[in-house]
Amino acid sequence: GAGVSQSPSNKVTEKGKDVELRCDPISGHTALYWYRQSLGQGLEFLIYFQGNSAPDKSGLPSDRFSAERTGGSVSTLTIQRTQQEDSAVYLCASSPIGGEGYEQYFGPGTRLTVT
Amino acid sequence: TQLLEQSPQFLSIQEGENLTVYCNSSSVFSSLQWYRQEPGEGPVLLVTVVTGGEVKKLKRLTFQFGDARKDSSLHITAAQPGDTGLYLCAGLDNYGQNFVFGPGTRLSVLP
Repeated sequence: GAGVSQSPSNKVTEKGKDVELRCDPISGHTALYWYRQSLGQGLEFLIYFQGNSAPDKSGLPSDRFSAERTGGSVSTLTIQRTQQEDSAVYLCASSPIGGEGYEQYFGPGTRLTVT
Repeated sequence: TQLLEQSPQFLSIQEGENLTVYCNSSSVFSSLQWYRQEPGEGPVLLVTVVTGGEVKKLKRLTFQFGDARKDSSLHITAAQPGDTGLYLCAGLDNYGQNFVFGPGTRLSVLP
């Protein structure tokens, strides 16, 4: 079956511009996570959606970052007024049930470069 | 804040050698996962360990969760070039919802 997909795969933008990153999770998965991975580093948690519950936004680094999940499926991560330090790979993952050791299925990521 | 450390940061070995990588924390985790990530792809789950002292084997890979559930190790026997990648450990946080990831061990197995 189809896995988690993300678009675009690569995005180059100028400092100060807004960007939108999209994640299509596996159908039926109730949990959706966004992470950021800087070059050669581990994953930094950004935000977590679980069903219809209010999202856990505790990992968002600043108010320039926001995310939505429409209809419990597709999610969009928006970064406003991008800065060079926002350059990273943004990974999305979905899971049939959040936490509790359930497997997270990751997408291939969006590589964001802010020039 | 719960943090995970991994060691070594980099490891380069010859095909056929054995290796162990470590994941350590001062915090207790209710469960811990190991992932492998290849360039240009997202991480792929290898194993989940839940019980302190638990040992799981996956072919040539052996995973152990520390008795106190603060640390874990991954041992690879007779490494192969296909084992090359970034190995990440991730601990389930105290709220049972989010995973804290370590910085990873980058393994290179040379033929």
